[in-house]
Amino acid sequence: GAVVSQHPSWVICKSGTSVKIECRSLDFQATTMFWYRQFPKQSLMLMATSNEGSKATYEQGVEKDKFLINHASLTLSTLTVTSAHPEDSSFYICSARFSGPAEQYFGPGTRLTVT
Amino acid sequence: TQLLEQSPQFLSIQEGENLTVYCNSSSVFSSLQWYRQEPGEGPVLLVTVVTGGEVKKLKRLTFQFGDARKDSSLHITAAQPGDTGLYLCAGGRFEAGTALIFGKGTTLSVSS
Repeated sequence: GAVVSQHPSWVICKSGTSVKIECRSLDFQATTMFWYRQFPKQSLMLMATSNEGSKATYEQGVEKDKFLINHASLTLSTLTVTSAHPEDSSFYICSARFSGPAEQYFGPGTRLTVT
Repeated sequence: TQLLEQSPQFLSIQEGENLTVYCNSSSVFSSLQWYRQEPGEGPVLLVTVVTGGEVKKLKRLTFQFGDARKDSSLHITAAQPGDTGLYLCAGGRFEAGTALIFGKGTTLSVSS
């Protein structure tokens, strides 16, 4: 149980274009989803917290207009990187949790490369 | 600000050796999770500890939560090359719906 999927697993896009990443909880309803960014051999950097039906809460320093998050249902959250630049290239990981336990279950990640 | 100090940051050992990874904080956590992550993949939950002094075992891995719920350790006995990866500790906050606080991770390399 507690499976989270992400799509796509990797994407290459040109500078200036937008990219959408989907995060789905497959076998449970996620009250909260989280989006992280990770650089090589480093820990996870929280970007935003997303609750179903409400606006995402962004961490300090994360541009909300650049990283658009939509949490339309209890099983789906999307992250759209708008007007992508090479410095946005990174490994993006989502996680989901259901109410009660603090465990977060992670998706497999999406490798974004902006050329 | 709650912080989790994880050590060591890097560890390179031979197969068969034992090792311990530590997570320390000045803050109390509602729970403590340990994750393992392989390159190019998302973190996988290994264990959750919630009670002060709690010890959990997962095959050759032993996890302990400090009595005051401020620290935790992960001990691996007779490490194997398959144990290689990034180990992350994460503390749960008391506020509902909030994200875990992650340590900086320990990169473990076990050579045969």
